[in-house]
Amino acid sequence: EAQVTQNPRYLITVTGKKLTVTCSQNMNHEYMSWYRQDPGLGLRQIYYSMNVEVTDKGDVPEGYKVSRKEKRNFPLILESPSPNQTSLYFCASSPPFQETQYFGPGTRLLVL
Amino acid sequence: DQQVKQNSPSLSVQEGRISILNCDYTNSMFDYFLWYKKYPAEGPTFLISISSIKDKNEDGRFTVFLNKSAKHLSLHIVPSQPGDSAVYFCAARRMNRDDKIIFGKGTRLHILP
Repeated sequence: EAQVTQNPRYLITVTGKKLTVTCSQNMNHEYMSWYRQDPGLGLRQIYYSMNVEVTDKGDVPEGYKVSRKEKRNFPLILESPSPNQTSLYFCASSPPFQETQYFGPGTRLLVL
Repeated sequence: DQQVKQNSPSLSVQEGRISILNCDYTNSMFDYFLWYKKYPAEGPTFLISISSIKDKNEDGRFTVFLNKSAKHLSLHIVPSQPGDSAVYFCAARRMNRDDKIIFGKGTRLHILP
């Protein structure tokens, strides 16, 4: 089944404790992206990657890192999480030359 | 500066009638506009898109209209069904430039029985 998977789905952590949210897609998509969804703010793009070893900042990249060492995986790294990074995070991927995106199920993060 | 705006946080429509969701944008460099539907506890799912060189795209009950001069697009759902109750996000993509994707804040659609 074609899908985008994220792990973990739920995470509670404390300020300053490094964490990684994984994202994987099995559709051989080149484009992958991370978003956060916050009440009243909609979806905001954090980082995106147009291909392996190519990453770019979205609208809200501060406090996040990403890497794209292989096509299927695009992990989101919070080196020193803070409470303002409490949010619902979505990973998405997109086929080449197509405008659509396929979203993962989301990861709900709470930073205490 | 909000480049993609959905000015109605919520909308209620009677079942069977037409639902019209609106979206405005400020940047002429977008080359695709998309609508996504989101249910609680799920990721957004793609609904319909339109290229900036077109003014209308139709897929079953869903039609998207683009008015470039007004920098405005709308999603029409006819007839509205109970399963259409969800949050709808408008998004704009610059595939021919930096390939950023900008989303609006969303509109919650309630279909009333």
